Amino acid sequence: DTGVSQNPRHKITKRGQNVTFRCDPISEHNRLYWYRQTLGQGPEFLTYFQNEAQLEKSRLLSDRFSAERPKGSFSTLEIQRTEQGDSAMYLCASIAGGSKGYTFGSGTRLTVV
Amino acid sequence: GENVEQHPSTLSVQEGDSAVIKCTYSDSASNYFPWYKQELGKRPQLIIDIRSNVGEKKDQRIAVTLNKTAKHFSLHITETQPEDSAVYFCAASKGTDSWGKLQFGAGTQVVVTP
Repeated sequence: DTGVSQNPRHKITKRGQNVTFRCDPISEHNRLYWYRQTLGQGPEFLTYFQNEAQLEKSRLLSDRFSAERPKGSFSTLEIQRTEQGDSAMYLCASIAGGSKGYTFGSGTRLTVV
Repeated sequence: GENVEQHPSTLSVQEGDSAVIKCTYSDSASNYFPWYKQELGKRPQLIIDIRSNVGEKKDQRIAVTLNKTAKHFSLHITETQPEDSAVYFCAASKGTDSWGKLQFGAGTQVVVTP
């Protein structure tokens, strides 16, 4: 287990299409976060899971966004009916209680054309 | 909710000089303040953090100071080297430990010129 893995690394999609991203956290990390980062900005919180339970969703997350972590291991983030404003880097991070900070994945860069 | 402001947005320094980045936060309940370094095309990585019960923390060439009364904290990099060139983000959290939701600043692009 070498870190947080995200797939795909890049995704180009047409406006109106649905996309799904996957995050595989570090195996012993029970908390998993999704953030979105646009150019020139810091990461923005989207949602997080404690094991399989989704404990908080940002108000920024419209009904078109949904996230799951079915068995408390990997997580998926789905965006339905994509819009150009959804273009961003989607970052996943995981952390275990008492550990030293998040470990981020390399992100999925979404471009909506 | 929490709002974190970060200044400056860009910082150019000569190799060997010091760099200072400042952040302010709005929520007095915030109690954990990490700093992340993000090199071009790479993931953010934690470089140092500080909790609200500590005023200063140092790790080799980097240090962070916290003023809870004024609600601001700063990152200090001494003897800068070209490999310090990156975007640095401050963040704040109300979590009781280091694993809470983070509110990030907008970032500071640091360029170290040889």
